[in-house]
Amino acid sequence: DAGVTQSPTHLIKTRGQQVTLRCSPKSGHDTVSWYQQALGQGPQFIFQYYEEEERQRGNFPDRFSGHQFPNYSSELNVNALLLGDSALYLCASSSGPPSSGANVLTFGAGSRLTVL
Amino acid sequence: GESVGLHLPTLSVQEGDNSIINCAYSNSASDYFIWYKQESGKGPQFIIDIRSNMDKRQGQRVTVLLNKTVKHLSLQIAATQPGDSAVYFCAENLYGGSQGNLIFGKGTKLSVKP
Repeated sequence: DAGVTQSPTHLIKTRGQQVTLRCSPKSGHDTVSWYQQALGQGPQFIFQYYEEEERQRGNFPDRFSGHQFPNYSSELNVNALLLGDSALYLCASSSGPPSSGANVLTFGAGSRLTVL
Repeated sequence: GESVGLHLPTLSVQEGDNSIINCAYSNSASDYFIWYKQESGKGPQFIIDIRSNMDKRQGQRVTVLLNKTVKHLSLQIAATQPGDSAVYFCAENLYGGSQGNLIFGKGTKLSVKP
């Protein structure tokens, strides 16, 4: 049973460029959350998708956007990249509506983004 | 400021000893807490969780203690093994059940000496 898969695993961009990261949730999961983890820090919540809609959003600018597809997979897009966007981007999936209770998050290994 | 934090950034223990990792939280409205383990090159892995209506919960070799009076959370690992070496994060949920939006602390790096 495949867990959460993310692609690409590593990528390098330059300031001002745009990036798209992809996530396939664990089989049976329908909710996807995205987190940003700077080096030496804990993950920070970006946003969460359920039923193809953004349900919750953390304190991130509009340059960060996302999408969820009918097959529950998700994309994270970041426009106008800044040096400070360099981080590990983690996708996590869970089952059921976001408000349904303690649904354990399963994290992927992340996409390491370096902005030069 | 950060809602969830850890007292110690690093912890070194001898193999076979017990480990205790501490965490402070500041939001009284938080009602769900989780411990995650993150090994190098991997995403966080769920260890154990606890709701605010409990003060202790046990798993396999791990115990989480919650002290709501002083807003303190701890993770105890019994008979620590080299495979336990990782960064441990506590996280809290402010929204009464939705796991998507978690607030993580900075983490404690646990090193196990053979």
